[in-house]
Amino acid sequence: EVQLVESGGGLVQPGGSLRLSCAASGFTFSSYWMAWVRQAPGKGLEWVANIMQDGNEKYYVDSVKGRFTISRDTANNLLYLQMDSLRAEDTAVYYCTRDNPFGAYWGQGALVTVSS
Amino acid sequence: QSVLTQPPSASGTPGQRVTISCSGRSSNIGSNTVNWYQQLPGTAPKLLIYSNSQRPSGVPDRLSGSKAGTSAFLAISGLQSEDEADYYCAVWDDSLKGWVFGGGTKLTVL
Repeated sequence: EVQLVESGGGLVQPGGSLRLSCAASGFTFSSYWMAWVRQAPGKGLEWVANIMQDGNEKYYVDSVKGRFTISRDTANNLLYLQMDSLRAEDTAVYYCTRDNPFGAYWGQGALVTVSS
Repeated sequence: QSVLTQPPSASGTPGQRVTISCSGRSSNIGSNTVNWYQQLPGTAPKLLIYSNSQRPSGVPDRLSGSKAGTSAFLAISGLQSEDEADYYCAVWDDSLKGWVFGGGTKLTVL
């Protein structure tokens, strides 16, 4: 059974940093693109970033470029999202999701709140 | 606003057929295949349709997807109360080099 479990969410002040993790199991992690998708309170879904199987290709939505970094640890089946220079508008539930097809499986989400 | 345009709401009575549209442009829907997701309140999204019209195992065949030009459509026939949810379309955009979602459609079963 495919499982994606996010961790690392919480309350952070504007300008602060946070790192989300996603533990993957039940499939060959190294064979799939992975992605982060977020959902602000009461709003729709927004793709944040994705990463190729070997980590050599990455894409980001414009609003997070230069502030967020997606990475993966294939040996331990972990996906990461390093979030720096956080802003109030980054407040959202962050979901880890598997590709092929995009959004085939989702984690339960991790809430990130950026507030002073 | 979203790159993909969906109606904010749709409704139908039990047993009816409803269709939700998703309008894009040549760089996204016009060039790539579309996925559809269902999101129940307080839960993660669930993949309903991929590659315009393919259903993952476990998704009933009363749900169907199609694409014409730069628009995509999700049809739900034999509407049931458990279909009441938010529905989102998504597609890769070649110009933006990223996935784009529609704004979502809230489906109400009257």
